[in-house]
Amino acid sequence: AQSVTQPDIHITVSEGASLELRCNYSYGATPYLFWYVQSPGQGLQLLLKYFSGDTLVQGIKGFEAEFKRSQSSFNLRKPSVHWSDAAEYFCAVASPSWGKLQFGAGTQVVVTP
Amino acid sequence: KAGVTQTPRYLIKTRGQQVTLSCSPISGHRSVSWYQQTPGQGLQFLFEYFSETQRNKGNFPGRFSGRQFSNSRSEMNVSTLELGDSALYLCASSYSAGANVLTFGAGSRLTVL
Repeated sequence: AQSVTQPDIHITVSEGASLELRCNYSYGATPYLFWYVQSPGQGLQLLLKYFSGDTLVQGIKGFEAEFKRSQSSFNLRKPSVHWSDAAEYFCAVASPSWGKLQFGAGTQVVVTP
Repeated sequence: KAGVTQTPRYLIKTRGQQVTLSCSPISGHRSVSWYQQTPGQGLQFLFEYFSETQRNKGNFPGRFSGRQFSNSRSEMNVSTLELGDSALYLCASSYSAGANVLTFGAGSRLTVL
């Protein structure tokens, strides 16, 4: 069965500092990989996705993620965090054929001045 | 173009009642998925519909049901509500079935008393 692990439940980062959110997955083949962000009281917004090809993926809001097959990881990064980046971030995996996303537990990001 | 619209946004029910939630996908999108989000269980897949057919179903009891209409709008129903059904119910749409880019609505917040 596929699974997604986000080891960090909560991360505090200073505005302007870099951010890295970890995501590890368990899946029989290379799944489709996603990062979503959720602001309070809102739905999920897609930041970026990986289906195949270049393992470094660029997304919206200055985020990028790197797929590492050998480590079964898909970590999200941002070089310089803005206060508006405070939110909850979810990593998700999916089988290419089935429309079911398996989400990680999420990482809450707090941005301090 | 308009995003995914979910109604109602908030509702309060009592145990034993039933509830129907509605989702209007992005125009042209034919696939609708539903997810339940709770603090304890996180984001869990409920079902996916494509062209009025349920393609995939998550591990939820039969009290949870859904349907999709010819205009791609979808409804989900929860009968005999339990306290544990209190959650944010998120609907997402995509152009085709399978693991594609999902666009989520803002959700329907259900509180069961």
